[in-house]
Amino acid sequence: KNEVEQSPQNLTAQEGEFITINCSYSVGISALHWLQQHPGGGIVSLFMLSSGKKKHGRLIATINIQEKHSSLHITASHPRDSAVYICAVVGNQFYFGTGTSLTVIP
Amino acid sequence: GAVVSQHPSRVICKSGTSVKIECRSLDFQATTMFWYRQFPKQSLMLMATSNEGSKATYEQGVEKDKFLINHASLTLSTLTVTSAHPEDSSFYICSASSVSSYEQYFGPGTRLTVT
Repeated sequence: KNEVEQSPQNLTAQEGEFITINCSYSVGISALHWLQQHPGGGIVSLFMLSSGKKKHGRLIATINIQEKHSSLHITASHPRDSAVYICAVVGNQFYFGTGTSLTVIP
Repeated sequence: GAVVSQHPSRVICKSGTSVKIECRSLDFQATTMFWYRQFPKQSLMLMATSNEGSKATYEQGVEKDKFLINHASLTLSTLTVTSAHPEDSSFYICSASSVSSYEQYFGPGTRLTVT
């Protein structure tokens, strides 16, 4: 059983659509990260959350500690948002989700 | 799925000493490995990208003489923190991507404490 589960695994959207990626975890955590990876590239950290909600541009991340759940939202999606999005939680070690591959079609 | 291991998982060392962290891909060949670090209460930061058989590419602000990276085989990369100082205390994480895919697989991290 994975400590971090993401859904969906793959997602295709039309440009302009609102996108939601979900992350559920089963361990106690001190923080949760949302990461972005473009093909062939290293990881870019989008958000680090320990509670509540954060917003950066068209990206919004929320976390519900009681429910052990986080969501990453992308508003007005664009083809350049196409990437793999990874949820990672920090407990006594890092636990990573398997990623959500997003493709935004023009 | 693919597995990446790191060793050690935790290490405590004295200031001025060097520490080596190993990152191994256990069931696939990794042409590229990435090294990250996370300072307390901060996000992950990419330190360097290493390709098997060639010199690592370091991110701006990361001292290549202090953080020595060796990627001598398709299953092993090492990060050596030389002359460690307390400010080097951090979580160090590696990830690896396979020959056939850009998908990355992450190690569990190594917590370094320099006293």
